[in-house]
Amino acid sequence: TQLLEQSPQFLSIQEGENLTVYCNSSSVFSSLQWYRQEPGEGPVLLVTVVTGGEVKKLKRLTFQFGDARKDSSLHITAAQPGDTGLYLCAGDGAQKLVFGQGTRLTINP
Amino acid sequence: GAVVSQHPSWVICKSGTSVKIECRSLDFQATTMFWYRQFPKQSLMLMATSNEGSKATYEQGVEKDKFLINHASLTLSTLTVTSAHPEDSSFYICSASGGGIGMGYTFGSGTRLTVV
Repeated sequence: TQLLEQSPQFLSIQEGENLTVYCNSSSVFSSLQWYRQEPGEGPVLLVTVVTGGEVKKLKRLTFQFGDARKDSSLHITAAQPGDTGLYLCAGDGAQKLVFGQGTRLTINP
Repeated sequence: GAVVSQHPSWVICKSGTSVKIECRSLDFQATTMFWYRQFPKQSLMLMATSNEGSKATYEQGVEKDKFLINHASLTLSTLTVTSAHPEDSSFYICSASGGGIGMGYTFGSGTRLTVV
């Protein structure tokens, strides 16, 4: 069974601070995806990383895929209250997605 | 972009009744659809994978006789919660894949089921 350990599960910081969310596994994934989910809605894809060592940027969000394709990180610079939400990493393995536990992020004004 | 429509967005039913949730891919053919369950403040747990025209593959611990999945066409999959009980109350989300690793997954907006 492929498992993804996501940390931290809860994070509350002040506006303007930086943060990093980690997603780790002992399994290799063909790709890894990051989603953001609002209450009462389905997850919305932020990014897909495919190549080991890959780095992708989406405005203030930076995503990295580990060289061995077993781990990933999401770094947010100068967090804003609008970044508040549930962030989920998901690994694409055996033609299905395996989700991490999620990180509930709160940015306080 | 790819759109997946899930209906209804919320439903309240009496204990012992059955509820059907629909998941449609609107602008692409979904060879594979996935059904997830999400409890409050938790992540998504995969319940089953359905491929068009074949039986669904259920994850360990998911009762296939309770959660009936039908994927009769390339654009529609349904999840029926049979003889629902209050403990079945949850947020159910479907996603669809166009086929193959790396083709991407598109999620529906979810269905909030409350069994009273």
